[in-house]
Amino acid sequence: AQSVTQLDSQVPVFEEAPVELRCNYSSSVSVYLFWYVQYPNQGLQLLLKYLSGSTLVESINGFEAEFNKSQTSFHLRKPSVHISDTAEYFCAVSVNTGNQFYFGTGTSLTVIP
Amino acid sequence: DTEVTQTPKHLVMGMTNKKSLKCEQHMGHRAMYWYKQKAKKPPELMFVYSYEKLSINESVPSRFSPECPNSSLLNLHLHALQPEDSALYLCASSQARPPSYNEQFFGPGTRLTVL
Repeated sequence: AQSVTQLDSQVPVFEEAPVELRCNYSSSVSVYLFWYVQYPNQGLQLLLKYLSGSTLVESINGFEAEFNKSQTSFHLRKPSVHISDTAEYFCAVSVNTGNQFYFGTGTSLTVIP
Repeated sequence: DTEVTQTPKHLVMGMTNKKSLKCEQHMGHRAMYWYKQKAKKPPELMFVYSYEKLSINESVPSRFSPECPNSSLLNLHLHALQPEDSALYLCASSQARPPSYNEQFFGPGTRLTVL
């Protein structure tokens, strides 16, 4: 069975400070990993994904995440956050034997001016 | 077109009403999904359609009835809902073949309130 753990339910951080949102997963098979962002009253937007290849993946708005197979982690990082990054962030795992997503419980990122 | 659209954006209905949610995509995806999301919670999978056939039903009550009339459209028919069914209903789509079926594109959702 697959599971996704986001240990931090709420992360407050000052504007222009760095941030890391943690995601760990458990799976006995190969996985694909995703980070989705959800702004208030909106749907989920794909932030970045790891399907194969380089373990470090980047988004167009400065976020990056690194797939660490030995630690079964896919932590999301940004070196300098903006007010507009305030949102709910979901880590998700998919396996290559089916088309189901397993979502983490989400991390609420609040950027403080 | 890389968009999943959902209508209506907001819906208020009584417990005796019948209503439908609609989802549409024109990305050529052959897998489509319905999720239910409560506030500050992750989406919960309700149904999966693959090649217009229902492939997953996550033990959803019969008052929710999905329909996939063609490869671009997905409906969710609602009847005799309860107040606890109030939530954001999200539609998603993806390719239906590995490995691309692992990337899901989400619509903006329908905010449903049951009175």
